[in-house]
Amino acid sequence: EVQLVQSGAEVKKPGESLKISCETSGYRFTTYWIVWVRQMPGKGLEWMGIIHPGDSKTIYSPSFQGQVTISADKSISTAYLQWSSLKASDTAMYYCARPREGIYGDYYFDHWGQGTLVTVSS
Amino acid sequence: SSELTQDPAVSVALGQTVRITCQGDSLRSYYASWYQQKPGQAPVLVIQGKNNRPSGIPDRFSGSSSGNTASLTITGAQAEDEADYYCLSRDTSDNPYVFGTGTKVTVL
Repeated sequence: EVQLVQSGAEVKKPGESLKISCETSGYRFTTYWIVWVRQMPGKGLEWMGIIHPGDSKTIYSPSFQGQVTISADKSISTAYLQWSSLKASDTAMYYCARPREGIYGDYYFDHWGQGTLVTVSS
Repeated sequence: SSELTQDPAVSVALGQTVRITCQGDSLRSYYASWYQQKPGQAPVLVIQGKNNRPSGIPDRFSGSSSGNTASLTITGAQAEDEADYYCLSRDTSDNPYVFGTGTKVTVL
């Protein structure tokens, strides 16, 4: 069974750093991309960036380039999303998911983590 | 990057049929996938590709596409279908993905 299990909720102050995780199981971690998705309170879904754990190739959404860092550790089948200096506007729920490509070249996310709530407040 | 536009909210009477639409240029090239998100929960894939339902998704959910519009239809809506629904498409720009704006479905 494919599972993506994310780290727990975090409460941080502006300017602090943070790294949240997405531990995967039930499939070969190095074969599939992992995507990170943000959902601000009461808002929609935004893709932030993706990483291929096999070679650590990373693609960031223009909206998040330079704002976050995505990484992966093959040895423990875990992907990460990190901030060096949090802002109040980073308060959101963050999801990891597994992207797939369909037979018609379409993309979809077939498995999702349960989400990590990040609250940034002074 | 591309944009995908959805109606903010729709309502449907219990047992009736509701269609949720998603419009955008990328949909002329690629099928959309659809996600159901209930309050406090992670999104769940309900439709991908031409009209494929993952295991466990009821057959009252179906997908279709025409021109620049993708649709998710719930035939015989149930109370448990009340949720937010998002479409996702492969983007035709340099970015891989684009999400729709989301539709809140209320079952009356």
